[in-house]
Amino acid sequence: AQTVTQSQPEMSVQEAETVTLSCTYDTSESDYYLFWYKQPPSRQMILVIRQEAYKQQNATENRFSVNFQKAAKSFSLKISDSQLGDAAMYFCALISGGGADGLTFGKGTHLIIQP
Amino acid sequence: GAVVSQHPSWVICKSGTSVKIECRSLDFQATTMFWYRQFPKQSLMLMATSNEGSKATYEQGVEKDKFLINHASLTLSTLTVTSAHPEDSSFYICSARDRLVGNEQFFGPGTRLTVL
Repeated sequence: AQTVTQSQPEMSVQEAETVTLSCTYDTSESDYYLFWYKQPPSRQMILVIRQEAYKQQNATENRFSVNFQKAAKSFSLKISDSQLGDAAMYFCALISGGGADGLTFGKGTHLIIQP
Repeated sequence: GAVVSQHPSWVICKSGTSVKIECRSLDFQATTMFWYRQFPKQSLMLMATSNEGSKATYEQGVEKDKFLINHASLTLSTLTVTSAHPEDSSFYICSARDRLVGNEQFFGPGTRLTVL
């Protein structure tokens, strides 16, 4: 069985500052993919960033970047220049193999942006 | 592109009745669709995996006779909650896997079910 752990139930950051959300995972598979999803109050799941386990280079999407430490099974999300619109629940998720299985989610981190 | 719709977005029903939720991929073909359940202030939990033209695969602890899943076409999967009870009240989210983009799932907007 695979697991995803997010140890920060809530994080708060000042607008324009940088914040890092933590995620660790466990899987016995060698081929897997990691994701960060954002869920705003509308509850629509929005993909923030994805990382293929076979890639050593950390993924980056504009203000969002990850620190993928494969040996440590760690996958943190860094949000730079935080904006009010970044306020949401953030879920770390894992999928193994070719994507035929469903996602395993962490419990989520509630991100608060202080103006 | 990659839009997934769900209908209805919100449904209220009486205890003992059945409710059907539809999940559609609007601009791509989805060989696989997934159904998740999310209780308030909790994470998403996978309920079942639905493959077009075959029986759904249910996660441990999910009653297949209570949560009927049908994936009759490459763009439509339905979840029917049979004999609903108040404890079935939850937020149900579907996702669809684009067969051309194997590892990403596209999520519907969810359906809020309230059983009185």
